[in-house]
Amino acid sequence: AQKVTQAQTEISVVEKEDVTLDCVYETRDTTYYLFWYKQPPSGELVFLIRRNSFDEQNEISGRYSWNFQKSTSSFNFTITASQVVDSAVYFCALYSGGGADGLTFGKGTHLIIQP
Amino acid sequence: EAQVTQNPRYLITVTGKKLTVTCSQNMNHEYMSWYRQDPGLGLRQIYYSMNVEVTDKGDVPEGYKVSRKEKRNFPLILESPSPNQTSLYFCASSLTGTYGYTFGSGTRLTVV
Repeated sequence: AQKVTQAQTEISVVEKEDVTLDCVYETRDTTYYLFWYKQPPSGELVFLIRRNSFDEQNEISGRYSWNFQKSTSSFNFTITASQVVDSAVYFCALYSGGGADGLTFGKGTHLIIQP
Repeated sequence: EAQVTQNPRYLITVTGKKLTVTCSQNMNHEYMSWYRQDPGLGLRQIYYSMNVEVTDKGDVPEGYKVSRKEKRNFPLILESPSPNQTSLYFCASSLTGTYGYTFGSGTRLTVV
């Protein structure tokens, strides 16, 4: 069985602060893929990043960065110098097993950036 | 433009009245899935399909049906909707799963 845990239900910070969203996963597979999706207030799901289990390099994309640590089964997401437009629900998701049975999602973290 | 198209975006219906939410993708993807999103529960998979005529249950299949008669279409059918099926529904497709899924814009269903 696989599982994704996002322990932070809601985070509220003031604009320009840095914020880290935590994601811990469980899987018995040695090959798996981790994802982050953003859901803005408009409701659509926007793909942010994909990481496979063999690549532990951290990733940076502008103000976004991701820290993947297999030793702790974590795939955390940091937003530097947060902006109001970053306000959204963020989902971490896991794909493993090689089949068509889709993604396992965490319950999401609602991020509120206050001006 | 590569996309997953769901219709309708919003739907209010009454208990017991059969309805279908359509989903179509133009990316020639093999894999398609339906999810429902509920507050505090995240997204949970309802059904998935790995190819035409091949479908299987996800985590919360009760009260739903699907069909995959063509590769591009994967409709979600509620034969007798109940209020506990009030939710936000997403259709998604993927070439292989490992590259992630492309999601439709969502269908907000209210059953009264």
